[in-house]
Amino acid sequence: DGGITQSPKYLFRKEGQNVTLSCEQNLNHDAMYWYRQDPGQGLRLIYYSQIVNDFQKGDIAEGYSVSREKKESFPLTVTSAQKNPTAFYLCASSTGRLRSDTQYFGPGTRLTVL
Amino acid sequence: GQQVMQIPQYQHVQEGEDFTTYCNSSTTLSNIQWYKQRPGGHPVFLIQLVKSGEVKKQKRLTFQFGEAKKNSSLHITATQTTDVGTYFCAGDAGGTSYGKLTFGQGTILTVHP
Repeated sequence: DGGITQSPKYLFRKEGQNVTLSCEQNLNHDAMYWYRQDPGQGLRLIYYSQIVNDFQKGDIAEGYSVSREKKESFPLTVTSAQKNPTAFYLCASSTGRLRSDTQYFGPGTRLTVL
Repeated sequence: GQQVMQIPQYQHVQEGEDFTTYCNSSTTLSNIQWYKQRPGGHPVFLIQLVKSGEVKKQKRLTFQFGEAKKNSSLHITATQTTDVGTYFCAGDAGGTSYGKLTFGQGTILTVHP
C-alpha cells in the first residue's frame, strides 16, 4: 500500500521541549516537503528537500530543523526556539524529476504545546 | 518573495448554487495547481494548469488559468454537500525552484442542504 505516513496523528508536548515529527514515504519520490497549517493562513513551507542529504529552508524555517539521510524519510524537529509551535504539520512528497510536479500529502500531525 | 492571494476566505452556499474561488499571484507562474482538503483531512491534488488561458473541466468543476499566467479560478456548478472543504491554489514559479509551491490561504466552502 503506497503512500506517505506521518506519526503520530496527535502530539502533546510541554513548552521548552524539542519534538520530532516523523514522515515516511514509499513512493520512491526524490523530493519531500514540510508545511505548517494554521487557521486562515493556508500552508506555509518550512523546509524542503529535493534529494537525499540536501535540504533548503522554506518561508518559515526559524525554530525548526530537518534531516534527509534516507530517501524515504524526512523527519522534522520542532525546537524550543519556535515561538508558537502549536499547529497542524503536513508532510508531502513529489517525484522531483518533472518540471510540472504535483505533491502528495500525508495525513498530518497535530501538535499541541501546553 | 512570491505571494499567492486567494479570495474569498469563506463561502457559504445553499446546495445547488454555484461557487467560485479566485487566485492571484504576484509573479508569473510556470504552472498552477489546485488542491482540496476535506474537514479533518489533508490536501488532495485536483488539477494542474500549465498553458496561458488554459481551461480544464472535471465534471462540475471548471478551472481556468489567466492569459498572463498570474491568476486562476475554480468554479463549481450546482454545489453538493460532498463539495464541502477548503480549496487551495498553489503556484509554481518554475526555474531553479521548480516543484516548490506557494499556497494561497484557501477558500473554505460550506454547503447547506
